[in-house]
Amino acid sequence: ILNVEQSPQSLHVQEGDSTNFTCSFPSSNFYALHWYRWETAKSPEALFVMTLNGDEKKKGRISATLNTKEGYSYLYIKGSQPEDSATYLCAPRTGNQFYFGTGTSLTVIP
Amino acid sequence: EAQVTQNPRYLITVTGKKLTVTCSQNMNHEYMSWYRQDPGLGLRQIYYSMNVEVTDKGDVPEGYKVSRKEKRNFPLILESPSPNQTSLYFCASSKGARGKAFFGQGTRLTVV
Repeated sequence: ILNVEQSPQSLHVQEGDSTNFTCSFPSSNFYALHWYRWETAKSPEALFVMTLNGDEKKKGRISATLNTKEGYSYLYIKGSQPEDSATYLCAPRTGNQFYFGTGTSLTVIP
Repeated sequence: EAQVTQNPRYLITVTGKKLTVTCSQNMNHEYMSWYRQDPGLGLRQIYYSMNVEVTDKGDVPEGYKVSRKEKRNFPLILESPSPNQTSLYFCASSKGARGKAFFGQGTRLTVV
């Protein structure tokens, strides 16, 4: 079992605000970190797969960074839009097994 | 269209009655896995499969069985369901464990 923590648990921001949240995980035996976006009543959708310390990934207004030495990853959303409202999950992988955090629930208020 | 298909989407059953939740993917992915989602907890991995005839336990395998006889299919079997297996279940597949996972639509199971 891997202890994965995501903070904050939930977040309300105004449309146009930029925001970020954190995924913390044990740095030992780290293989990769996956980020997912999960909208209500839908299935999780993959955003990024990150493996190397210092990795940075970007998809539109969403970006992520990875620090494997200290065991954390940040997800940033620039200029939040209502359609960004979702739960964002991180899942470190050790070997072939995944351990999901409980997610950060983002609500963007128009 | 690339997809992972789970069936059924909703199921209410009684304690002890064997059931199977099917999962099929059309992307020729090697890696497939099953998760359960419970309130207040993250997705927890039940079983995973690296390829045909290769399966392994995840975090919470007790009370479940799986098989991988064909690359596209990865059914989840509950031999004797109990109420504590009431949950939302997801199947996922990816090109190896390194790949981005594609999730099925989910199966909401209630065991009474």
